[in-house]
Amino acid sequence: DQQVKQNSPSLSVQEGRISILNCDYTNSMFDYFLWYKKYPAEGPTFLISISSIKDKNEDGRFTVFLNKSAKHLSLHIVPSQPGDSAVYFCAVSGGGADGLTFGKGTHLIIQP
Amino acid sequence: DVKVTQSSRYLVKRTGEKVFLECVQDMDHENMFWYRQDPGLGLRLIYFSYDVKMKEKGDIPEGYSVSREKKERFSLILESASTNQTSMYLCASSLWGTGAQPQHFGDGTRLSIL
Repeated sequence: DQQVKQNSPSLSVQEGRISILNCDYTNSMFDYFLWYKKYPAEGPTFLISISSIKDKNEDGRFTVFLNKSAKHLSLHIVPSQPGDSAVYFCAVSGGGADGLTFGKGTHLIIQP
Repeated sequence: DVKVTQSSRYLVKRTGEKVFLECVQDMDHENMFWYRQDPGLGLRLIYFSYDVKMKEKGDIPEGYSVSREKKERFSLILESASTNQTSMYLCASSLWGTGAQPQHFGDGTRLSIL
């Protein structure tokens, strides 16, 4: 059973508008939540994270929101730029040295 | 800047061969990881290591083994390659500690088993 779900395989947004990517998880014991961005033929790059004790973290154009009661997190990108076109993966960590559990990814397409 | 280097970008091997994928990181990170990425399945953890000579199974370890003889190097071994192991393989490293430490990825090895 999937522990991390990204229900939208793709999302198309106009340049300059807000992009909202969503992620749901099943285990309330997860401690950290991360977003990675991946271009074709490259490895994923870390974008932003949030710990379970917070509900919002902001870094420039990127903001991650965490709703623990709903077991839901979202990534907001505003304004969206052409270079934001990529696959975005949501990932969760139970803490410690364990690996991450990833969602299946959402392909974001920014249209001019 | 963290550099994770995977020895090959593309690799073609035959069924039954023993295959070695190599990964080196230059930031003295304690933790290293191997994932595979398949269309529609995201990234899945195969094995990880939090110290030299230590290894832990991830979610899909069957058909794989790993070796970590030096802190900077983490090898993934396909003991007897099969066609269902055709995939993109990604290595990552991170500092020791909580899950707050982001993992840094290499650019991947696209492995085809014929």
